[in-house]
Order: sequence, then structure tokens, then C-alpha cells
Amino acid sequence: SQTIHQWPATLVQPVGSPLSLECTVEGTSNPNLYWYRQAAGRGLQLLFYSVGIGQISSEVPQNLSASRPQDRQFILSSKKLLLSDSGFYLCAWAPPLVGSYEQYFGPGTRLTVT
Amino acid sequence: KQEVTQIPAALSVPEGENLVLNCSFTDSAIYNLQWFRQDPGKGLTSLLLIQSSQREQTSGRLNASLDKSSGRSTLYIAASQPGDSATYLCAVRDNYGQNFVFGPGTRLSVLP
Repeated sequence: SQTIHQWPATLVQPVGSPLSLECTVEGTSNPNLYWYRQAAGRGLQLLFYSVGIGQISSEVPQNLSASRPQDRQFILSSKKLLLSDSGFYLCAWAPPLVGSYEQYFGPGTRLTVT
Repeated sequence: KQEVTQIPAALSVPEGENLVLNCSFTDSAIYNLQWFRQDPGKGLTSLLLIQSSQREQTSGRLNASLDKSSGRSTLYIAASQPGDSATYLCAVRDNYGQNFVFGPGTRLSVLP
């Protein structure tokens, strides 16, 4: 069966510090991978998605970047955090087939920028 | 651009009631629609996936319907229980990309 991991679970960082969140998927190959942010009281905002190693698409201009160094590894980064980067970050994966398929979510990382 | 809304934003019901959550989307050219549950501080758990060619899906006490032409989906929860308390989100995948667009969610409280 497939599982998706995220770490850390919680993170408190000062403004201006760097960020690295990691997401890994087990039990599948060549998944589509997604990073979402959920701000307090708001819906999920898609930040990045990837259909393969080194292939990153950005949905919104922002202070963040993403990388996919390995097939089942997805990393969210920032060089300098802003207060507005606080939120709940969720990684998700979906099977690589074109067509109807489900998304599966990780447990999330709670980021607080102080 | 696809937009998804959910009504109501919050709902509080006594245990045992049947209830309906609503999801609307602006572009009917969707590939599928998925309902999720999110407990506080947790990730999303998939509940039901409806393909664009389907009218409904059922899982236990949950039934989701899809009317693509009118841009609507409903999630019906029968005989609600306190353990059903959570935020329920719907998401649509359109025909043009690899992405899902989420609604803001409905926060459900089932009172014992």
C-alpha cells in the first residue's frame, strides 16, 4: 500500500530564516506530487505540482520554491521566510495516469513564522 | 478559471440527523469531483470520488451526487454521529490540467 510522509510536523521559524519541508511517498512510482498551503480560516491553495523529477509548475507567485530531486521526494523551500508564510502545509500525491484518479494527502506541517 | 464554493460554511446538528452539504463549481468541464474530510490540525482524508460520467457514489452512511451540467455536488450524511464532526471539503479536477481546485469547506459539528 502507498503511504505519504511529511516532516517536520510542526515548525516555528523567525522572519528571514530559511525553510525546508520534505515530503516522501512510498509504494508507488512516478506519482504526481503537490504542495498546498492552508491559511487559518481559508481554503487550500495549490502552490506547486510536479509530474516528474525536476519538473515543477508554480501556481502562484510567492516567496517559496519547490524541487523534486528524486521520483518520490518533494521539497518546499524558502530562502527568507515572511510572516505571511505561516500556515498549514500539505503534500499530496496522485497516480500518474491521465484520467480520473484520487489525491491522497500527508499529515501536514504546521509552520509558524514569528 | 474554476471556482468552487461550499454552503453552508458551518453547520451544527444533533446526533442522529440526516444532513446535506453542498458544493458548487463554475466550470462544468470537470474530470472528477472528490469529497474529503479534515479533522483539526490533520491532513485530508478522501471520502468519495465521483467520475464526471457518474451521478453518485456511496460509502457506508455517505452518499455523494454530481450534477455536472448545473455545477453542483451534494454530500449526504445519514444518521450523523459525533465522530462525523470535522471540516468537509470538495475538490474538482478540470479537463485541462493536473490540478484540483478546492472549496473553502463546511465545518460540521454533531452534538451528542
